[in-house]
Amino acid sequence: DVKVTQSSRYLVKRTGEKVFLECVQDMDHENMFWYRQDPGLGLRLIYFSYDVKMKEKGDIPEGYSVSREKKERFSLILESASTNQTSMYLCATWTGISYEQYFGPGTRLTVT
Amino acid sequence: AQSVSQHNHHVILSEAASLELGCNYSYGGTVNLFWYVQYPGQHLQLLLKYFSGDPLVKGIKGFEAEFIKSKFSFNLRKPSVQWSDTAEYFCAVKRAGTASKLTFGTGTRLQVTL
Repeated sequence: DVKVTQSSRYLVKRTGEKVFLECVQDMDHENMFWYRQDPGLGLRLIYFSYDVKMKEKGDIPEGYSVSREKKERFSLILESASTNQTSMYLCATWTGISYEQYFGPGTRLTVT
Repeated sequence: AQSVSQHNHHVILSEAASLELGCNYSYGGTVNLFWYVQYPGQHLQLLLKYFSGDPLVKGIKGFEAEFIKSKFSFNLRKPSVQWSDTAEYFCAVKRAGTASKLTFGTGTRLQVTL
């Protein structure tokens, strides 16, 4: 069974803090994604990764960076959190076998 | 830029009513199409997908969608909704021949009343 886990369901951070959101998958999928989900805006792609140490910017990369040192782990980094980064963050993986993205449960981040 | 439009933002239906949620995309080339659902408090999961062949695709829980290439549409349908269908529904598009990147619509919140 496919499993995508995210390190926290809820997170509260202060403005200016460096924030790490972790995503781990156990399916050996090469492609991984970070989205943010906001009411009325749907899901917007922040960054994605095709393989270890390979990353590409998505549609809204400003204020974020990512790290993928191991295939199973894809981290989203907020270098200096701001209140407009308060959102739900979703991690996903892609399988070329069933051709779909699998999503984690999400991390609801609040920046105060 | 490729975009995906879901014109219904919030839909309220009574149980047993029929459902149709609209999805239109702007890309003119070959596309793969998806509908995802997010039940309250749960993660997104795939309802159905279209890659090729029969433009009428059937998914889980009695949902189906029809790809109409001339209209750039992939509308989701269900003949009779249940209270348990209350959820947010997202349409997504992937350009064929590219990587696994999806572009999502803004979502439609469906509320089914008893």
